Amino acid sequence: TQLLEQSPQFLSIQEGENLTVYCNSSSVFSSLQWYRQEPGEGPVLLVTVVTGGEVKKLKRLTFQFGDARKDSSLHITAAQPGDTGLYLCAGTTSGTYKYIFGTGTRLKVLA
Amino acid sequence: NAGVTQTPKFRVLKTGQSMTLLCAQDMNHEYMYWYRQDPGMGLRLIHYSVGEGTTAKGEVPDGYNVSRLKKQNFLLGLESAAPSQTSVYFCASSYSGATQGPICEQYFGPGTRLTVT
Repeated sequence: TQLLEQSPQFLSIQEGENLTVYCNSSSVFSSLQWYRQEPGEGPVLLVTVVTGGEVKKLKRLTFQFGDARKDSSLHITAAQPGDTGLYLCAGTTSGTYKYIFGTGTRLKVLA
Repeated sequence: NAGVTQTPKFRVLKTGQSMTLLCAQDMNHEYMYWYRQDPGMGLRLIHYSVGEGTTAKGEVPDGYNVSRLKKQNFLLGLESAAPSQTSVYFCASSYSGATQGPICEQYFGPGTRLTVT
C-alpha cells in the first residue's frame, strides 16, 4: 500500500513567519499535487509537479518535488491568516487512475 | 456552472439503515471519485468511475456500493450503515484520469457529513 506521510500534522504560527510542510513516501510518484482545504469545503488544487527536482512558485508559496520523486515540500513565506487551512499532498503513479492523499497538515496563522 | 454538488450536506443514520449519497457534476468530466475523510488520515478513495456505466474499487470499498448510470451523476450507497462509516464524504471529478496526458485537477464537492449512531 502506498502511503504519503505529511509533517508536521499541526502547525500554529504568527503572521509573518515562514514555514515548511513536508510530504514523504517510500514510493515513486509520477506526479504530485498540493491542495488546500478550508473548513466545510472540499480541497482546492494549488499546484501539480511532475518532474524530479521541479520547483514551482505561487506568490508566497514555493513547491518542490524531490529528485527521486518520492517526496515534496511546500514552503510559505511571510504567512498570513488567509493561509490558514488543511494542506494535503496527493500522488499519482503512471498506469493508474487513482490519487493517493497524504495525511494532511493543519495550519493556523495567528494575526 | 455549479461545478460538483453533493446531496445531502448532513445526515444522521442509525446502525443498519441504508442511504444513498448523490454527486452531480456539470463539467462533462469523464472521471468521478468518492472519498472519505477522517481525522489524521487524509482522504481515502472508496470507489471511482472512469466513465458512464463503469465503476472500480478504491482503497476502502467494503460496505459501500456505487453506480454511474449517467455521466454527470455518481451515487454512493450504504446498504447497512455501521458506526465505522461515520465520516465526511467527498465526491470529486476530473476531465481525465492520471494515465492520460498531463495530470488533471480534481474538482471536489463541498462534502456530506454522515454520522452513524
